[in-house]
Amino acid sequence: DAKTTQPNSMESNEEEPVHLPCNHSTISGTDYIHWYRQLPSQGPEYVIHGLTSNVNNRMASLAIAEDRKSSTLILHRATLRDAAVYYCILTNDYKLSFGAGTTVTVRA
Amino acid sequence: GAGVSQSPRYKVTKRGQDVTLRCDPISSHATLYWYQQALGQGPEFLTYFNYEAQPDKSGLPSDRFSAERPEGSISTLTIQRTEQRDSAMYRCASSLWPPSQINNNEQFFGPGTRLTVL
Repeated sequence: DAKTTQPNSMESNEEEPVHLPCNHSTISGTDYIHWYRQLPSQGPEYVIHGLTSNVNNRMASLAIAEDRKSSTLILHRATLRDAAVYYCILTNDYKLSFGAGTTVTVRA
Repeated sequence: GAGVSQSPRYKVTKRGQDVTLRCDPISSHATLYWYQQALGQGPEFLTYFNYEAQPDKSGLPSDRFSAERPEGSISTLTIQRTEQRDSAMYRCASSLWPPSQINNNEQFFGPGTRLTVL
């Protein structure tokens, strides 16, 4: 599986946007970029995915670089409930390889 | 059901005992996955099923680990002769099959079973 690199942690203030970067320089043409998050004491939950174009859903936006070697998950207005570990995952089949993720802390 | 359920939620066992963990996926989901998650780390893939078939067992750590899904719905993960290093959270997930451009294999995770081997 192609690898991703994420910062270990990020802090944000409540109501402010959060930009979570992910580098994936060895991405292949068929790899989708998935983001999952894991709230404390819960199982991972799907956030968003994309292939080449930027994507928006009710939870977040995904901005994908033109060369696809990096992407950014954007939480538009962080709330305390967004405090979680965020995982950037490349996949072109059934398998998800989670890595260590980025721990996001939201300050009130 | 409404979501993925797992039982038991907690299991404490003694080294050398066998344990069986159960997963009940979302009813419309043909694909079921098992992951192992150590404390402070992300989940690691163990195996998956499409209906009853088990195409990939590559993540199972040893032959002490086995999984079944005989009728294509509920699955069990069995660990024989448990060892202390087997202590972890075991998570089950399910998804629709085949993946489409819309759902792209979005996986829905259960609450997990916390296994402690003494």
